[in-house]
Order: sequence, then structure tokens, then C-alpha cells
Amino acid sequence: GAVVSQHPSRVICKSGTSVKIECRSLDFQATTMFWYRQFPKQSLMLMATSNEGSKATYEQGVEKDKFLINHASLTLSTLTVTSAHPEDSSFYICSARAWVSGLAGEVPYNEQFFGPGTRLTVL
Amino acid sequence: AQSVSQHNHHVILSEAASLELGCNYSYGGTVNLFWYVQYPGQHLQLLLKYFSGDPLVKGIKGFEAEFIKSKFSFNLRKPSVQWSDTAEYFCAVSPSGGYQKVTFGTGTKLQVIP
Repeated sequence: GAVVSQHPSRVICKSGTSVKIECRSLDFQATTMFWYRQFPKQSLMLMATSNEGSKATYEQGVEKDKFLINHASLTLSTLTVTSAHPEDSSFYICSARAWVSGLAGEVPYNEQFFGPGTRLTVL
Repeated sequence: AQSVSQHNHHVILSEAASLELGCNYSYGGTVNLFWYVQYPGQHLQLLLKYFSGDPLVKGIKGFEAEFIKSKFSFNLRKPSVQWSDTAEYFCAVSPSGGYQKVTFGTGTKLQVIP
């Protein structure tokens, strides 16, 4: 299956610093990647949709100047948390969309493949 | 906008017990439905999906789910769980037609006791 990696897996930073998280599709090209945030015991909340070569589409309530997304190539999207504060501490997960050939008789469909996540702790 | 609710937050079962995890969604149109699983220390991965056709869908590892349109439900089932099924399970929904945003439920943590 398609593999998505994230780097780093864990980061601890001081308040006020910026942190960059990378999301890579290792064995396929992804024109679209997604960034999610997950708080403890809560669901994945979509933050933004990252489109290669164009501006990201942010969900309502997500500050685009605080969470900068760059999708410069078909295999890499980055999320930069600028001037991080303790309330930004969370688990950030990316996913990449790919077309998947269905079983016999099944039409191809879009599937999201998820990265392992990045645990951000802001002190 | 669509929403998903999973009523069971934490389920504990003994091996060989039967499993049913509830999932209800809210949306006024046709939908695509998914169950994802996250094993401890691993990525989220797709367990099964429903796009159209037979409302009873079979996924990996003996899991199945039934879409009941009248009840807006997509419950996950497995007749006999194993210790290796210990994981967190997320139900998700997206409007059908093209690719649209996927909304996740809050997840159900399943613990299977040997």
C-alpha cells in the first residue's frame, strides 16, 4: 500500500519559536494532502487541505498565518506552526490522497493514506 | 455539514466475544462511509468503506459493516475478536460525488482481553 511519512515524530519547543513538520508520500505522488489535529480523546479535526502548486484551503477557525502550509512538490507538504504557544501542543497528522484501483468490477476511488503523526509539545 | 457520532468510547471484550461498534452520521444527501483502525503505535489505516451497492461491506481481518440508510448508521461488526484487534476505531463520513471532506467520529478504543 501507499506509505506516508512524517518528520519529526516528536518535537518539544519553547513558546514563541516556530516548528516545521514534513509530510512525504514515499511511493506515490499526491496532488492533495491533508493536515489534521487531534486532541486527547477527541477526533481528528481537519485543519487544511494542501494542494500542490497552489494555496492551501483552511477550515473555518484555523489561522492561516499561524499554520503555514507549503506543498511545493508532489511528494512533500510542510506545516509550520509559527510562534508556537502551549495551546498549540497537539498531535498533528497528515494524509495524502491517491487513486486506488478497486477490486475487479470496482471503479477506482480516492483513498487517504495517513502518516504516523507528530507530537508537538510547546513549553 | 456532516457529522459523525460514535457512542462507545471504550469497549472491553474477552477474546472470541462478538463485537459491534456503533456509528451514526448526520447528512442530508448521499454519503461515503468509512471505518479506520489505528493499532497501538501505528498509522491510521482503512478497514473498510461503503460507496454504493451492497450495504453490507466486508473489510480486512474479518470485519464487516452494514449501512442502514433509514437509521443513518454504519455499525462495525466482527463475530469473534482476537487480542490483536486491540486498537482504536474511527468511523468517518464524506458526501459522495467527487472527493469531499472526510469527517471523523471521536473514536472507540477497543481492548481485547486474552
